[in-house]
Amino acid sequence: QKEVEQNSGPLSVPEGAIASLNCTYSDRGSQSFFWYRQYSGKSPELIMSIYSNGDKEDGRFTAQLNKASQYVSLLIRDSQPSDSATYLCAMSGNTPLVFGKGTRLSVIA
Amino acid sequence: NAGVMQNPRHLVRRRGQEARLRCSPMKGHSHVYWYRQLPEEGLKFMVYLQKENIIDESGMPKERFSAEFPKEGPSILRIQQVVRGDSAAYFCASSLTGTGSSGANVLTFGAGSRLTVL
Repeated sequence: QKEVEQNSGPLSVPEGAIASLNCTYSDRGSQSFFWYRQYSGKSPELIMSIYSNGDKEDGRFTAQLNKASQYVSLLIRDSQPSDSATYLCAMSGNTPLVFGKGTRLSVIA
Repeated sequence: NAGVMQNPRHLVRRRGQEARLRCSPMKGHSHVYWYRQLPEEGLKFMVYLQKENIIDESGMPKERFSAEFPKEGPSILRIQQVVRGDSAAYFCASSLTGTGSSGANVLTFGAGSRLTVL
C-alpha cells in the first residue's frame, strides 16, 4: 500500500512569513513529486513539480526533495492571505498519482 | 484551449438511483483519471483509462461503479444504486503522457462533479 503522509494542520503563519509544508512517502519507487493547491470547494491546481534530489525554486515557492529520507517539502516565502488553502502532496512512479490528505494553511493578515 | 471539462457540476440523486458523470480531457490528452474526494479527505484514486481501455482500476469499488472512455466522446463514471456514502466530489484529470512513461506524468484536473445522495 503506497502511502503519503502529511500533517493535516491547520498551519497558521502571519502574513510575510515563511510557510513550511512537509510530506513523507512510503514507496521508494516513486519518481515524480508534486505539490497541488486546493482552495475550498475548488479543484486541485499544480503549483510545483520536482523529480530529482535537491531544491527547485519557482517564484515564492521552493520544493525540496530527499529521496534517501523519502521526504518532500514545500516552502512558501512572503506568505500572503491568498495562499490560504489546502496543499496536497502527490507522487507517482509506475502507478497513478497518490495523494496525501493535505495540509491546511492559514495565512493571517 | 479548453481545460478538462466535467459535467454535471452538481448532481443530486436519491438512494438507489444511478449517477453518470462525464469528463472530456484537455485537447491532445489521451490519459484520463478519476479521483474521489470525501469531505475533509484527500483525493483517492479510482481508475485510469485510455481510449477504449481501462489501464488501472485498482481504486474502484468492486460493485456498482464502472468507468469507460470510448473511442468517441467523453469518459463516463457510472455509479449504480447510489447510497449516501457515495456523496462526494468526483474529479477527473487528464495527462499528455501516461503513468510509468519517461516523461513527467503531470495531471490537470477538471472542476469536479459534486454528487449528493439524499
